[in-house]
Amino acid sequence: AQSVAQPEDQVNVAEGNPLTVKCTYSVSGNPYLFWYVQYPNRGLQFLLKYITGDNLVKGSYGFEAEFNKSQTSFHLKKPSALVSDSALYFCAVRRLSGGYNKLIFGAGTRLAVHP
Amino acid sequence: SQTIHQWPATLVQPVGSPLSLECTVEGTSNPNLYWYRQAAGRGLQLLFYSVGIGQISSEVPQNLSASRPQDRQFILSSKKLLLSDSGFYLCACSPGQGNYLYFGPGTRLTVT
Repeated sequence: AQSVAQPEDQVNVAEGNPLTVKCTYSVSGNPYLFWYVQYPNRGLQFLLKYITGDNLVKGSYGFEAEFNKSQTSFHLKKPSALVSDSALYFCAVRRLSGGYNKLIFGAGTRLAVHP
Repeated sequence: SQTIHQWPATLVQPVGSPLSLECTVEGTSNPNLYWYRQAAGRGLQLLFYSVGIGQISSEVPQNLSASRPQDRQFILSSKKLLLSDSGFYLCACSPGQGNYLYFGPGTRLTVT
C-alpha cells in the first residue's frame, strides 16, 4: 500500500540557512509525490509535485524537492530560509483506488525558522 | 482556477448534538471531492471522497456521514457528535482525474 513517512516532527533552522524537510515513500509502481504547506488555522497549499521527468522539481515560494528512487526519498529543500517559511509541511503520495485518485499524507513536519 | 468555500469557519457543539458542515466549489465542474480531518494540528485522515452526485465512498468507519446533493456541494454530517469528532475539517477537490488537490480554508470543530 502506498504511504509516506516524515521522520522529523520539527525542523529548526536559522534565517538565511538552507533547509531540508525529509520524506520517504513506499509505493508499488511509479510514485506520484507531492508537498503541501499549511499555515496556522488555514487549509493546505500545494507547493510542488513529482510525476515523471527531472528528479529535481521546482515549486512555489522558492522551494524545490529532489526525487531519489534508490533511497525512496522526496526531500523538500530551500537554499535560503525565511522566517515566513515557518509552517507545517506535508508530504503526500497518490493512491489509486477503484480508478480514482486519493492523496495519502504524512504526519507533517513543523518548520521553525528563527531570525 | 478552483475556489473552495467552507462554512462555518469555527463551530463549538455539545456532545450528542447534530452536525452539518458545508463545502462548495467554484471554477470547475464534475470535480472529485474529499473530506479530510486533521486532529491535533498534525496528520490528515481521509474520511470520504466523491466522484459524482450521490456517489460517496467512506475511508474509515466512524460517526460521520457525507452527502453530495449537487455537483459542487459536499456536506459532512453527524446525527450525534462525540468528543473524538473534534478537529479541523478540510474539504478538497481535484478536477476529474487531476493529480493534486485544492484545499478549502477548513472548519475547526470543538465538541464539548
